[in-house]
Amino acid sequence: EVQLVESGGGLVQPGGSLRLSCAASGFTFSSYAMTWVRQAPGEGLEWVSSIRDSGGITYYADSVKGRFTVSRDNSKNTLYLQMNSLRAEDTAMYYCARGPGGSSWSPVGVYWGQGTLVTVSS
Amino acid sequence: EIVLTQSPGTLSLSPGERATLSCRASQSVSSSYLAWYQQKRGQAPRLLIYGASSRATGIPDRFSGSGSGTDFTLTISRLEPEDFAIYYCQQYVSSPFTFGPGTKVDIK
Repeated sequence: EVQLVESGGGLVQPGGSLRLSCAASGFTFSSYAMTWVRQAPGEGLEWVSSIRDSGGITYYADSVKGRFTVSRDNSKNTLYLQMNSLRAEDTAMYYCARGPGGSSWSPVGVYWGQGTLVTVSS
Repeated sequence: EIVLTQSPGTLSLSPGERATLSCRASQSVSSSYLAWYQQKRGQAPRLLIYGASSRATGIPDRFSGSGSGTDFTLTISRLEPEDFAIYYCQQYVSSPFTFGPGTKVDIK
């Protein structure tokens, strides 16, 4: 059974940093692209970042580019999101999602975790 | 950046009725790289449709997707009580892989 469990969320002051983790199990982690999607309270979904299976290619939303870094440790079956220079508008539930796999990569979220809440406030 | 517009914002229907949701892109979504998700309150999104018209594993056949270019449609043929939720489209032809603002399907 595919499982994705996010952790690392919490309350942080503006300008601070957090590192989110997404622990994966039930599939060959190194074979799948992974994606972070966030959802501010009462708002819609916002794609944040994706990373290809090998980790060599990454993608970012303009709103987080230069502040967030996505990475993965395939030996630990874990996806990360390093978030620096946090702003109030980064307050959201952060979900990790697994891609569909296959010969061509895709940021589509086939399986999702339950999310971890990040609150940026003084 | 490809901007997705979804209409209507809210769709009020009764169980058993047909729901037709629209997603329009600001530029062509080539190769039909468009997905649809369902999200219920307090839950993570669930993938319904990818490639504009392919149902994800385990999705009932009352859900269907169609369209190409800039105009896409999600149809729910007969609404079941569990289908009342918010539906989002997402394009994945080019980064940033944007979502639409969502359509809420609620009970009339």
